[in-house]
Amino acid sequence: EDKVVQSPLSLVVHEGDTVTLNCSYEVTNFRSLLWYKQEKKAPTFLFMLTSSGIEKKSGRLSSILDKKELFSILNITATQTGDSAVYLCAATLSSGTYKYIFGTGTRLKVLA
Amino acid sequence: ETGVTQSPTHLIKTRGQQVTLRCSSQSGHNTVSWYQQALGQGPQFIFQYYREEENGRGNFPPRFSGLQFPNYSSELNVNALELDDSALYLCASSISGTTNEKLFFGSGTQLSVL
Repeated sequence: EDKVVQSPLSLVVHEGDTVTLNCSYEVTNFRSLLWYKQEKKAPTFLFMLTSSGIEKKSGRLSSILDKKELFSILNITATQTGDSAVYLCAATLSSGTYKYIFGTGTRLKVLA
Repeated sequence: ETGVTQSPTHLIKTRGQQVTLRCSSQSGHNTVSWYQQALGQGPQFIFQYYREEENGRGNFPPRFSGLQFPNYSSELNVNALELDDSALYLCASSISGTTNEKLFFGSGTQLSVL
């Protein structure tokens, strides 16, 4: 069965800290891995990763994929209270219906 | 703002009733997917519609059904509601067949079944 596992499930840090969120996957016919941020209801897109070892960056956020070890990490540096959210990781498949297989998410709380 | 709108935002129903949730996709998007997100869980794929036909389905019973209209908007219908159907229902639109197909999510409908 295809599955995506995220860790930790929750995390509390102080402003200015750096955090690393983990996502491992076991899927047949892997196509891509995506990260989304869910603050209230609508998940918003952060990154899509298809190639191993190539870091993607957006401001203080960065992410990288390791297709050999089947995992990805999302780094957030100099955290701010506005980074508080649930971070979702999802894998997609290269065959069949294009759908996301989500992990349970990591709930991040950044304290002032 | 993703341009994907869902209605209603909240809904309270009782067990055994039927419910219809609605979704308007982002302009130019031809594919709509529905996901169920239970409290503390990641979203689970329900089904996808493309060209007004179901184009794939997750592990949900037949009492979950849907429609897509010519303007690409969509409905999710759930019959014989059960307590476990209480969840956030997310609609996502996309352009099928693109190289880097991304889903754009609406803000969801929070369904409570009493």
